[in-house]
Amino acid sequence: GESVGLHLPTLSVQEGDNSIINCAYSNSASDYFIWYKQESGKGPQFIIDIRSNMDKRQGQRVTVLLNKTVKHLSLQIAATQPGDSAVYFCAENPSSGSARQLTFGSGTQLTVLP
Amino acid sequence: GAVVSQHPSWVICKSGTSVKIECRSLDFQATTMFWYRQFPKQSLMLMATSNEGSKATYEQGVEKDKFLINHASLTLSTLTVTSAHPEDSSFYICSASGNTEAFFGQGTRLTVV
Repeated sequence: GESVGLHLPTLSVQEGDNSIINCAYSNSASDYFIWYKQESGKGPQFIIDIRSNMDKRQGQRVTVLLNKTVKHLSLQIAATQPGDSAVYFCAENPSSGSARQLTFGSGTQLTVLP
Repeated sequence: GAVVSQHPSWVICKSGTSVKIECRSLDFQATTMFWYRQFPKQSLMLMATSNEGSKATYEQGVEKDKFLINHASLTLSTLTVTSAHPEDSSFYICSASGNTEAFFGQGTRLTVV
């Protein structure tokens, strides 16, 4: 069936460096994507989203890139900080215009080294 | 962003008993609420979708008689794990959706002993 997956299960970066977390999706009907951050023992926290009519969207220290040709999504975190250590999930929603029912990727554990 | 409160944050229960988890949208009306289950080091898996005033829609493989969902108002949905067993131990997370974005609760850690 359709699925969302990640290339890297773990990622370690030095504090201050930039982080790039990747996600591959297979449902070509999905037109809305979200990145979530989940700290241990907590629920997912919304980071940034992007619709399929865009290929890039920037937030505070974060940028999401969408390549529909190869069905690839990435999250870039600039100047990574210790507080960024968490598991990051991409999620897709095939229902145009709403972030309701989501399919989550497998997650990437980001560890920020001092 | 909107606030979704989930209670309790953790619970330990004996095998065979039932546990109720509440999910409240505090500052908006949630027409739809979702319940997810997450095992350690795994992703969130959707269990069911509930719309206010109607029966929940369960994902394939999720027993509706075991995981009872009630969405009696636009601000409250409950998940009851009936006759819990150790294999039901997991992290349960709800999300609430108004018109567009879905907001997540902080999760409930259920341990069945």
